Amino acid sequence: KAGVTQTPRYLIKTRGQQVTLSCSPISGHRSVSWYQQTPGQGLQFLFEYFSETQRNKGNFPGRFSGRQFSNSRSEMNVSTLELGDSALYLCASSLRPRPAGGFSYEQYFGPGTRLTVT
Amino acid sequence: DAKTTQPNSMESNEEEPVHLPCNHSTISGTDYIHWYRQLPSQGPEYVIHGLTSNVNNRMASLAIAEDRKSSTLILHRATLRDAAVYYCILRDSGATNKLIFGTGTLLAVQP
Repeated sequence: KAGVTQTPRYLIKTRGQQVTLSCSPISGHRSVSWYQQTPGQGLQFLFEYFSETQRNKGNFPGRFSGRQFSNSRSEMNVSTLELGDSALYLCASSLRPRPAGGFSYEQYFGPGTRLTVT
Repeated sequence: DAKTTQPNSMESNEEEPVHLPCNHSTISGTDYIHWYRQLPSQGPEYVIHGLTSNVNNRMASLAIAEDRKSSTLILHRATLRDAAVYYCILRDSGATNKLIFGTGTLLAVQP
């Protein structure tokens, strides 16, 4: 079974530009989450999608947005890039969201997209 | 959100067992304890999870204290490929897949 794929793997952008990152979950997985990883802040949750709906959002400015398509593929967009947006952006997929108080599904992470803003 | 505390780093010798501790004194009754690891230049990888009882899988064992305020990830025979950052995570309460990562433990394995 193919794993989570993220494209592109590396990206260099200039301040003020915008960027779109793509994530294809494992076949059959319908839940996709995004994380930002930086040396200073570690791994931080961005947002979570299921059935094309955003279910949860982390504490990031509105410049960060995302969406999910009917085939469960997801994209995230960052507008008006800042130097501090340089990071590894990770996508994780799982079968479905954990029900409240219920069993937790494993999450499978992709290799990430390394974004450098200059 | 409940938080976890882990040592910043640990060292082990190859083929020896490794015990990675985690404290989670504010854990609630429905919090599952998850362990993920991140190898260099890769995304995090699921290792194991549990609720109350000890758990075993092909990668590791998870020992959970009776009061659930601490747990230990056990790698039975460390290999060089086990060198990674290990994260102990309490799942966010509610119907969500959100993971709250701490700083983790950097495990170094010496040959």
